Amino acid sequence: DSGVTQTPKHLITATGQRVTLRCSPRSGDLSVYWYQQSLDQGLQFLIQYYNGEERAKGNILERFSAQQFPDLHSELNLSSLELGDSALYFCASSPRTFTDTQYFGPGTRLTVL
Amino acid sequence: GENVEQHPSTLSVQEGDSAVIKCTYSDSASNYFPWYKQELGKRPQLIIDIRSNVGEKKDQRIAVTLNKTAKHFSLHITETQPEDSAVYFCAAQLSGAGSYQLTFGKGTKLSVIP
Repeated sequence: DSGVTQTPKHLITATGQRVTLRCSPRSGDLSVYWYQQSLDQGLQFLIQYYNGEERAKGNILERFSAQQFPDLHSELNLSSLELGDSALYFCASSPRTFTDTQYFGPGTRLTVL
Repeated sequence: GENVEQHPSTLSVQEGDSAVIKCTYSDSASNYFPWYKQELGKRPQLIIDIRSNVGEKKDQRIAVTLNKTAKHFSLHITETQPEDSAVYFCAAQLSGAGSYQLTFGKGTKLSVIP
């Protein structure tokens, strides 16, 4: 157990819908990262927050957005869902913003029908 | 941006043999290189990492080597066991200019045959 929690574990929804994935980092960690893992794309970095502020953006679609709250938990919002958005979404946390080990949560499996 | 190539994509070894997975990266400014092990449907778990000021690091049966000049790093697993069977990912991290994300290789599926 890495200490990073994610809810829900599984999510099944329909195309066009909107969902919110939640992540709580390890106690004391200020940085949260979101990754998407699909079969053909491997692990893709989406976005990073540090102490409530966006710090880095990767291959995140405009339909996706995230935020980090004062209690340091983070939410990833996915809207206008498409079949291709079906994937495992992982959250990771680290104590600071750079060159620190990232610990991954158990992931949320999203299925878009 | 950074690009990480990982080889091989699949690897089968007999129990007790060694396994080697190799990665190359494109940006010479990358300075942190972790390796993650992922079992089916589970989270990636860090197994070893190395920073750019070190050439080699060892932890029991696992070792990682880094060649900064050639921009490649490798994972070595000795005396493999069936429980080593999993997908292994290498990654490279750039730090600076506000960009600190990990760029992952596409993974190596390791099968250890009893």
